[in-house]
Amino acid sequence: GQQVMQIPQYQHVQEGEDFTTYCNSSTTLSNIQWYKQRPGGHPVFLIQLVKSGEVKKQKRLTFQFGEAKKNSSLHITATQTTDVGTYFCAGPAGANNLFFGTGTRLTVIP
Amino acid sequence: EAGVAQSPRYKIIEKRQSVAFWCNPISGHATLYWYQQILGQGPKLLIQFQNNGVVDDSQLPKDRFSAERLKGVDSTLKIQPAKLEDSAVYLCASSPGSRNNQPQHFGDGTRLSIL
Repeated sequence: GQQVMQIPQYQHVQEGEDFTTYCNSSTTLSNIQWYKQRPGGHPVFLIQLVKSGEVKKQKRLTFQFGEAKKNSSLHITATQTTDVGTYFCAGPAGANNLFFGTGTRLTVIP
Repeated sequence: EAGVAQSPRYKIIEKRQSVAFWCNPISGHATLYWYQQILGQGPKLLIQFQNNGVVDDSQLPKDRFSAERLKGVDSTLKIQPAKLEDSAVYLCASSPGSRNNQPQHFGDGTRLSIL
C-alpha cells in the first residue's frame, strides 16, 4: 500500500537555526501536500506541490518537490518559537484521499 | 468562514462502553473525512463521505466503528464497544471536492481516552 516516510522523526534546534524535514515515497506522486500541527492543535494545510522540481516559498518556509516526484522537503530558515509543531507531508492514496506521513516534530529552543 | 466544528472536545469512557462524536463541516464542503490520530503518529483515514455517500471506508473497523452523514452535511462517528487501543484523537476534516488534490480543513478533534 501507499507509504510516505518522513525523516527525521524529531528535531531540536536553537532559535535562529535552520530546519529541514524530508518526505520520501516509493511510488511517484501526482501531488504532495504539507500540513503543520501545533501541540494540542489540529493539522493546518500549508501548501500543495504538483509539478516536477517545483519550489514554492512562504516567507521563511521553502517547499520542494523532487524531479522524480517521489520526494519532497520543507526547509525553514532562521527558526522562531512560533515554528514549533509537527510537520506532515501527505501524498495521494488512490484518487480521492490522502496518506499522511509519520511527521517530524520540531522543537525550537529559545 | 466558520471552520469545521467537532464535539465533544474530550471524552473519557471505560472499555466496552460506546461513544459518539459529531462533526459539522465547512459550509458548502461536499467531502467529509474522519481520521484517527494516535499519539505520535500521523492522521489515519477511517472513512470519507462525498455528500451523503461513502467514498472510502476500507480502513474503518466495521465490527465496532460506524459513521453516517445522512443529510450530506454533519456527520457522526460511533464506536461500540470501545477497546483500549481506540484511545486517540478523532479528527474530522472537510474539503470542497473529493479529489486528492484538495486541501483538507480539520476540526479541533475529540480526544478519546479509554480506561
